[in-house]
Amino acid sequence: DTEVTQTPKHLVMGMTNKKSLKCEQHMGHRAMYWYKQKAKKPPELMFVYSYEKLSINESVPSRFSPECPNSSLLNLHLHALQPEDSALYLCASSQTFSDTQYFGPGTRLTVL
Amino acid sequence: GNSVTQMEGPVTLSEEAFLTINCTYTATGYPSLFWYVQYPGEGLQLLLKATKADDKGSNKGFEATYRKETTSFHLEKGSVQVSDSAVYFCALKVAGTALIFGKGTTLSVSS
Repeated sequence: DTEVTQTPKHLVMGMTNKKSLKCEQHMGHRAMYWYKQKAKKPPELMFVYSYEKLSINESVPSRFSPECPNSSLLNLHLHALQPEDSALYLCASSQTFSDTQYFGPGTRLTVL
Repeated sequence: GNSVTQMEGPVTLSEEAFLTINCTYTATGYPSLFWYVQYPGEGLQLLLKATKADDKGSNKGFEATYRKETTSFHLEKGSVQVSDSAVYFCALKVAGTALIFGKGTTLSVSS
């Protein structure tokens, strides 16, 4: 089983809202990732957690705040987003940072 | 640095045609190579992978061979179906570094 689940599937929020995206995997993977994907572009890495510690932050604005409460869960907290933040947000996981990544179905975010 | 170059699309084919999507790479060290597929409105799915030179990855009728001498990992399928219409991403990973994607190739198959 190589399933990564993400909720919600779609999210519409205003620029003053606070919302969270959730990602879950039960494969025992110890590395988890957030990516942002704009239309017709490849995914762009945002954050990497390895053994529940933040190991890579690709200079992401502070209005995006990741959290890894345990080895199976990864959250992305959103606050004061801009319309240009509208995109597909993908979560991925891998056994370790060096291993094959498996992606979830994504959350389609629209910021009004 | 590490990079992936794949052919720009869109690629438009008729059902049962032969498919090739070219992918070449530049890497320091010994990369693992991947093809991911993204169907409309969905996330990325791992299609196949190869971890060392001369390995052949295969899945769902798709194949790709890791060619170190030509730094290539071209994706092929002998007979495409309408259901193969999607965006295909070639990617590489060198140990200790992030996964690097090509720009993606859109495949459109008509019946």
